[in-house]
Amino acid sequence: EADIYQTPRYLVIGTGKKITLECSQTMGHDKMYWYQQDPGMELHLIHYSYGVNSTEKGDLSSESTVSRIRTEHFPLTLESARPSHTSQYLCASSPGYNYGYTFGSGTRLTVV
Amino acid sequence: SQQGEEDPQALSIQEGENATMNCSYKTSINNLQWYRQNSGRGLVHLILIRSNEREKHSGRLRVTLDTSKKSSSLLITASRAADTASYFCATALYGGATNKLIFGTGTLLAVQP
Repeated sequence: EADIYQTPRYLVIGTGKKITLECSQTMGHDKMYWYQQDPGMELHLIHYSYGVNSTEKGDLSSESTVSRIRTEHFPLTLESARPSHTSQYLCASSPGYNYGYTFGSGTRLTVV
Repeated sequence: SQQGEEDPQALSIQEGENATMNCSYKTSINNLQWYRQNSGRGLVHLILIRSNEREKHSGRLRVTLDTSKKSSSLLITASRAADTASYFCATALYGGATNKLIFGTGTLLAVQP
């Protein structure tokens, strides 16, 4: 069973809309991450967080923003969706160094 | 250029055969991890090998790490149809405190029944 939950699972939305992708984990992990993945391709880190009130941009430039007000919650927001944002967004968490990640099931976003 | 590159890009084998996937990386690492992804869903962590380890086993999985060649391999023995998935290596860079992982390009494994 997943201990990290992403909603929605699929989202089709029109250009210009504001969207928030939800990610919650029940494991008390301090470190959380957002990755972007196009079909059949590698994952690219777009945001990460060390803990509450700490967020950093990842290696791939993204127009999205994140917040970390509670340990368990790490939502990602797109203020104005564009077709170029169409992708799969994967959220993950980790207890720390030398531990693996636990991934959510992902949100597949399509902007039309 | 990618930190992690895997080969082959795709591999098709028969059930019962062994599958070997390779991963190469460019910079010093603290650990290397392997993940499985089924049909574009979330990734599942398989195994982690630290930079001071050379080999690790977990069930039917065997991972090796050669830091002098900056490469790793994942061996799945006695493969099953359920092993069909994409496999990714990921590296945690040396000295990083955030445990950020850089993922490779992935190997698509198809196990024919």
